[in-house]
Amino acid sequence: QVQLQESGPGLVKPSQTLSLTCTVSGGSISSGGYYWSWIRQHPGKGLEWIGYIYYSGSTYYNPSLKSRVTISVDTSKNQFSLKLSSVTAADTAVYYCARGGSGSYFGAIGYWGQGTLVTVSS
Amino acid sequence: AIRMTQSPSSFSASTGDRVTITCRASQGISSYLAWYQQKPGKAPKLLIYAASTLQSGVPSRFSGSGSGTDFTLTISCLQSEDFATYYCQQYYSSLTFGGGTKVEIK
Repeated sequence: QVQLQESGPGLVKPSQTLSLTCTVSGGSISSGGYYWSWIRQHPGKGLEWIGYIYYSGSTYYNPSLKSRVTISVDTSKNQFSLKLSSVTAADTAVYYCARGGSGSYFGAIGYWGQGTLVTVSS
Repeated sequence: AIRMTQSPSSFSASTGDRVTITCRASQGISSYLAWYQQKPGKAPKLLIYAASTLQSGVPSRFSGSGSGTDFTLTISCLQSEDFATYYCQQYYSSLTFGGGTKVEIK
């Protein structure tokens, strides 16, 4: 059973870079076949896809965030990471790491981390 | 970007009711649609993918239908544990979620 766990600072200052890591257990990122996503949820609001990465390092980002987002993968640690630069209060949200299905079901997110609240405040 | 519009945004229902939630895509997405259930403080749970395929372990009272631009999620007999917020999501082109539908107790 694949499990994902987010880690990183819960408080980030405005204009700084938000950095989160997702550690995967119960499955290997390098085995391929899956896209590994970051998704966020503003307090009391809906879900927003940030981007995803393939084990090879290929990335796809939400156009609305693309200029500020970097997603990377470290297969040796079985982790993938999110960096979001120049944050403002509008980036305060619960951040989830997640994994979709295989093949044409890649976008159906069956595995989610528990989520981590990141607050942007001075 | 493809926009997903859910309706209604919220409604009240009673245990045992049959309920339907609608999701419309701004352009055709074939059957690349998923439905999720989310309860407060929890991560979303995948219910249905490929518009109508029930995820393993999900009760059969949940069903999905549609293709192209119009989709529905139906709960045939609402149970107490089904009071939650439901999201549709397309994965035809990147990923986009609908705004959510909150199902509340009447």
